[in-house]
Amino acid sequence: GENVEQHPSTLSVQEGDSAVIKCTYSDSASNYFPWYKQELGKRPQLIIDIRSNVGEKKDQRIAVTLNKTAKHFSLHITETQPEDSAVYFCAALLGGNTPLVFGKGTRLSVIA
Amino acid sequence: EAGVTQFPSHSVIEKGQTVTLRCDPISGHDNLYWYRRVMGKEIKFLLHFVKESKQDESGMPNNRFLAERTGGTYSTLKVQPAELEDSGVYFCASSLRDGPYEQYFGPGTRLTVT
Repeated sequence: GENVEQHPSTLSVQEGDSAVIKCTYSDSASNYFPWYKQELGKRPQLIIDIRSNVGEKKDQRIAVTLNKTAKHFSLHITETQPEDSAVYFCAALLGGNTPLVFGKGTRLSVIA
Repeated sequence: EAGVTQFPSHSVIEKGQTVTLRCDPISGHDNLYWYRRVMGKEIKFLLHFVKESKQDESGMPNNRFLAERTGGTYSTLKVQPAELEDSGVYFCASSLRDGPYEQYFGPGTRLTVT
């Protein structure tokens, strides 16, 4: 089955710097890759996603890139702010109504 | 529009007791998923309903877990009898049957078995 690896497990950056979180997946048939942000005590919230027919997607300060050949995708956050501090999860989905397979999460701390 | 809701938010029970978790998906979402996050580990799939039918229950750990979705609306997940290793946060997510793929998560139920 699908396996998703996520790195790093923890990441500390200074406010205003960029943060990059990387994930790899094993099943080349996966075609949907969402990123979730979970603040302490709150629900995982979908912040951005990308489908396999697209190489990059941006939404203000966040962007996701996908390399299908290498089977990896990354989350980029620019101009980080303290409110970006949270646990970020990447996930992969084989398509349709299948369940998500998650990475282990990255705890991002933005230091003011 | 109301999001996915879950009840209770926290539950502390003793080993051997029974607990029932409830999930109310977003109205109109035929897909309902249960996931679990054990301390410090990844969020793992438990099972998937399409309306009232179990589509995939390959992630259910054992027969102490029973999920239902009568009438295709809310879902319950019962753990009986609970064991220490069942502790974790149980999430429910829902999505539209005919796409797009986005799954929306509830706030989770933190279950502690002592």
